[in-house]
Amino acid sequence: KAGVTQTPRYLIKTRGQQVTLSCSPISGHRSVSWYQQTPGQGLQFLFEYFSETQRNKGNFPGRFSGRQFSNSRSEMNVSTLELGDSALYLCASSDLFGGGTDTQYFGPGTRLTVL
Amino acid sequence: AQSVAQPEDQVNVAEGNPLTVKCTYSVSGNPYLFWYVQYPNRGLQFLLKYITGDNLVKGSYGFEAEFNKSQTSFHLKKPSALVSDSALYFCAVRDIPGDGGFKTIFGAGTRLFVKA
Repeated sequence: KAGVTQTPRYLIKTRGQQVTLSCSPISGHRSVSWYQQTPGQGLQFLFEYFSETQRNKGNFPGRFSGRQFSNSRSEMNVSTLELGDSALYLCASSDLFGGGTDTQYFGPGTRLTVL
Repeated sequence: AQSVAQPEDQVNVAEGNPLTVKCTYSVSGNPYLFWYVQYPNRGLQFLLKYITGDNLVKGSYGFEAEFNKSQTSFHLKKPSALVSDSALYFCAVRDIPGDGGFKTIFGAGTRLFVKA
C-alpha cells in the first residue's frame, strides 16, 4: 500500500496570509490526525478526524482548522499566519480496528515557513 | 493527564555497543506506549508499541523496548548500534478519553549519535 502523502512538501507564506495543507491517508485508514512540530515546542497534537467528524482538538487557536472528506482525505487550514506558525506539519493515519490503540503512520510532512 | 518524559536530550554511543534511550510515562488507566524515529527532513517512522502482554516488545530494525510498570518506564534498546541508527527518537503515549477519539502525546525527543 502507498503510504501517507502530504502536499505540498514545502510552502513559504507571509504574515497575514492563509494556507491549506492536504493529507491523503493510507488506503483503508479512516482516522487522520495532524501534528505541529517545532524546535521549541516539539510535537503538538492539532486535531483528529474520523468519518468527517473532528473528535479531538489540541490547544491551538481558532486560526487552525481542518476537515475530512468522505474519502478520508483531510485538509488543515491556518488563517492569518503568524511567524510562530512556521513549523513542520505532520499528518498521520490509522485504521482504528484496535479502538484507538492502533499504530499511526506518518506522512513526510509539510514544511511551512512564514516570513 | 497522560504524559511522557525523555530525560536525555542526546545519547552518544559507539558503533557496535548497546544503546538505551530512556522514557518514563504518567498515565491514568492502561498505558499505550509507542516509539518512533525521525530522520532529517522526514516524517516519523513507527518502531514498536506496547498495548498489553509481554513486557519485552520487539520492533523494527532490531530495536526492542521493555515495559516496566513499577518504574513507569518504557526504555528503547538495541544490542548493537549502527551509525545509521543516528536520528531523533520519540516516545509517545496514546490518550483515549473515552469519547470516541484519541490523541498521541509525544516526549521531547532524544537525539541519538552513533560514532563509527
